[in-house]
Amino acid sequence: AQSVTQLGSHVSVSEGALVLLRCNYSSSVPPYLFWYAQYPNQGLQLLLKYTSAATLVKGINGFEAEFKKSETSFHLTKPSAHMSDAAEYFCAVRAGADGLTFGKGTHLIIQP
Amino acid sequence: DVKVTQSSRYLVKRTGEKVFLECVQDMDHENMFWYRQDPGLGLRLIYFSYDVKMKEKGDIPEGYSVSREKKERFSLILESASTNQTSMYLCASSLGATSSYEQYFGPGTRLTVT
Repeated sequence: AQSVTQLGSHVSVSEGALVLLRCNYSSSVPPYLFWYAQYPNQGLQLLLKYTSAATLVKGINGFEAEFKKSETSFHLTKPSAHMSDAAEYFCAVRAGADGLTFGKGTHLIIQP
Repeated sequence: DVKVTQSSRYLVKRTGEKVFLECVQDMDHENMFWYRQDPGLGLRLIYFSYDVKMKEKGDIPEGYSVSREKKERFSLILESASTNQTSMYLCASSLGATSSYEQYFGPGTRLTVT
């Protein structure tokens, strides 16, 4: 069975600081991994995805993530946080024929 | 761009009422999904559908049913709403077995059952 663990239900960073959101996964098949953002009062927006190509994946809005098989991790980073990055972030892994299993989410708080 | 729309952003219903949540996607996707989202629990899959008239139970199907009569439309039905079904409901769609599995989400329906 596939599972995702997101470390830290809340992460707070200062504007301009590095953003690091942690995700570890468990998968019995080659993993496809995703990061989604949920801005206030909106649905989930896909930021980036890993599908067995390059291990460093660049996404939208300056986010990127690195797939590390040895650590079963797929952490999300952004060099410089902006106030508009405040959101809930979800990591997800392929599960079953076409489904995804989501982590419980990390709420990112940006301090001015 | 893929567009997934949900019939209501906010809904208030009484205990015992039958509730219909509608979801429509415009990209000819094979798969459609219904999730509920609760604080601290993330997204939990209620039902999904791989094709018209097909449905599969997810992790928490109790108290819910679904209908998919047309490819673009997937409805979630609460037969007799209860207060513990107060939640955010998210619909999603994905291309199909040959895709890279990413799902596209609607804006959500925040349902309150009183």
